[in-house]
Amino acid sequence: KAGVTQTPRYLIKTRGQQVTLSCSPISGHRSVSWYQQTPGQGLQFLFEYFSETQRNKGNFPGRFSGRQFSNSRSEMNVSTLELGDSALYLCASSPQGAENTEAFFGQGTRLTVV
Amino acid sequence: GENVEQHPSTLSVQEGDSAVIKCTYSDSASNYFPWYKQELGKGPQLIIDIRSNVGEKKDQRIAVTLNKTAKHFSLHITETQPEDSAVYFCAASISTLTFGKGTMLLVSP
Repeated sequence: KAGVTQTPRYLIKTRGQQVTLSCSPISGHRSVSWYQQTPGQGLQFLFEYFSETQRNKGNFPGRFSGRQFSNSRSEMNVSTLELGDSALYLCASSPQGAENTEAFFGQGTRLTVV
Repeated sequence: GENVEQHPSTLSVQEGDSAVIKCTYSDSASNYFPWYKQELGKGPQLIIDIRSNVGEKKDQRIAVTLNKTAKHFSLHITETQPEDSAVYFCAASISTLTFGKGTMLLVSP
């Protein structure tokens, strides 16, 4: 069974640009969550999608958005990039949701904003 | 919201020794506590988890204990091996996972 796949693995963007990251969950998993990982703040929850609906949202500005498609694949978008957005963005999938169920992570997308 | 504190931030042990990592959480409603191992260049991998109705769980060399009264849980690794070297994260969950800041474990041969 294939794991969680994130594309691309690496991205370099310029301040002010926007970026879209993609996540394909494990087959049959309906929940996809996104996290930002930085050395200073650790792993921080961005949002969770379940059956194409945003079910939970973390404390990030509106520049961070996401969506989920009918096949459970998810994308996250960051607009008007800032230097502080440089991070490893991780996607995790679960059968139903993070509550009391295992979350399986992809390898992440390393975003560098210059 | 939930807050998870994790200690120590770094831990160095000799091969064969035991390693213990401790976490505390703030929200008594949290009911799921997973532990993840993250190796360089990879995403976090679930290694063990425990639910609020259980006090202890063991899987070979790895064990987790949970004290709901004190709101803390711990990861115990026995007979450590160099391949156990990685960053370990604890997390607590009500509806979403809140992570600790991580512990870098270094096992020296």
